[in-house]
Amino acid sequence: GAGVSQSPSNKVTEKGKDVELRCDPISGHTALYWYRQRLGQGLEFLIYFQGNSAPDKSGLPSDRFSAERTGESVSTLTIQRTQQEDSAVYLCASSLIQGGNQPQHFGDGTRLSIL
Amino acid sequence: GDSVTQMEGPVTLSEEAFLTINCTYTATGYPSLFWYVQYPGEGLQLLLKATKADDKGSNKGFEATYRKETTSFHLEKGSVQVSDSAVYFCALSDIAGTGNQFYFGTGTSLTVIP
Repeated sequence: GAGVSQSPSNKVTEKGKDVELRCDPISGHTALYWYRQRLGQGLEFLIYFQGNSAPDKSGLPSDRFSAERTGESVSTLTIQRTQQEDSAVYLCASSLIQGGNQPQHFGDGTRLSIL
Repeated sequence: GDSVTQMEGPVTLSEEAFLTINCTYTATGYPSLFWYVQYPGEGLQLLLKATKADDKGSNKGFEATYRKETTSFHLEKGSVQVSDSAVYFCALSDIAGTGNQFYFGTGTSLTVIP
């Protein structure tokens, strides 16, 4: 498929554990975004990668959250010492570039449940 | 800073009713504007877009016109169907500045009843 792929689709873990979420963007897309969406809520921006530039981390809610991206490929979002308030759907999106008329293309998300 | 404001929901309509979801924006540059739709359990899908003033985006019977004078991008559909039940997000992309320049509204939930 040519879309944005996220894995796992669902993750259930115990409070205090670390989790790693994966995003495979559309090939050739230089911009990649992570969002958090709590139940019934809108999108909360977390982090943005653009090519090899320094990422915009301004949306990360605490130092327990981190993300990496190698070049213009896969990205991983890591949440350390998970808390119950981390339960949400984590959405990844990519775009050809940022700006202009380039839309974001979304994956189906990872539904994270912290017990 | 840039922002998007859209009407709060939830919105409930009968099938074949007329739909308007209001969206206004604030931007420092010359943004492109988008409407996304999110069906239950799925990610967001691009519904339509407009890249400059007076452009009209359209798709699946939905329309929105980029109004610079009123900084608005209201979503309309003449006759909604049950299958249009979803959450709708207005968004803008601004190329001014560095870092993230893509902004979403809070979403408007639409339920269409038969």
